[in-house]
Amino acid sequence: GAGVSQSPSNKVTEKGKDVELRCDPISGHTALYWYRQSLGQGLEFLIYFQGNSAPDKSGLPSDRFSAERTGGSVSTLTIQRTQQEDSAVYLCASSFNDYGYTFGSGTRLTVV
Amino acid sequence: AQRVTQPEKLLSVFKGAPVELKCNYSYSGSPELFWYVQYSRQRLQLLLRHISRESIKGFTADLNKGETSFHLKKPFAQEEDSAMYYCALRDYGQNFVFGPGTRLSVLP
Repeated sequence: GAGVSQSPSNKVTEKGKDVELRCDPISGHTALYWYRQSLGQGLEFLIYFQGNSAPDKSGLPSDRFSAERTGGSVSTLTIQRTQQEDSAVYLCASSFNDYGYTFGSGTRLTVV
Repeated sequence: AQRVTQPEKLLSVFKGAPVELKCNYSYSGSPELFWYVQYSRQRLQLLLRHISRESIKGFTADLNKGETSFHLKKPFAQEEDSAMYYCALRDYGQNFVFGPGTRLSVLP
């Protein structure tokens, strides 16, 4: 597709369950970011992939969070044993050589 | 469908000059509007949101529902304001629509 695609757009899960969020970047984009924005709070950086380099995981809030990027394309963000404080909109963005980003529409995660 | 447009890919101004980064949106309901900034080699940051009506780093933005605009303004640009600026809309479903971004270059 022409843009960054995120799925699902909305996810409601029970506390303690695992969830997977998917990001399909624009073809050829080497850089990929995951951010999250909680209600009433600012934007929080989670993880950054750039080409074949080791990802920058410094923003992951706990070891329940992990992300991978297969074949330099699709990325999956996994949250294990979800907690209510994980409820947020998770945003993915991709870029060619870090010059200007294209954002997905986000996945709204609600943990009940 | 929701859309956010930022007509300028690149905007260059001299230090001390006023700056206005344009943002227009199309949305049938009442959106929540944001401005995000990404400085060189840094992470994206939330600059301001229309509901808080605040001024951050001297920047302000007013939501004009009649013109469906949310332009970002600063009366006196500084060199450190040089960055990529993204306007974004959040709808009732909490989904985001981002504009393509405007690169602001403040010249000495």
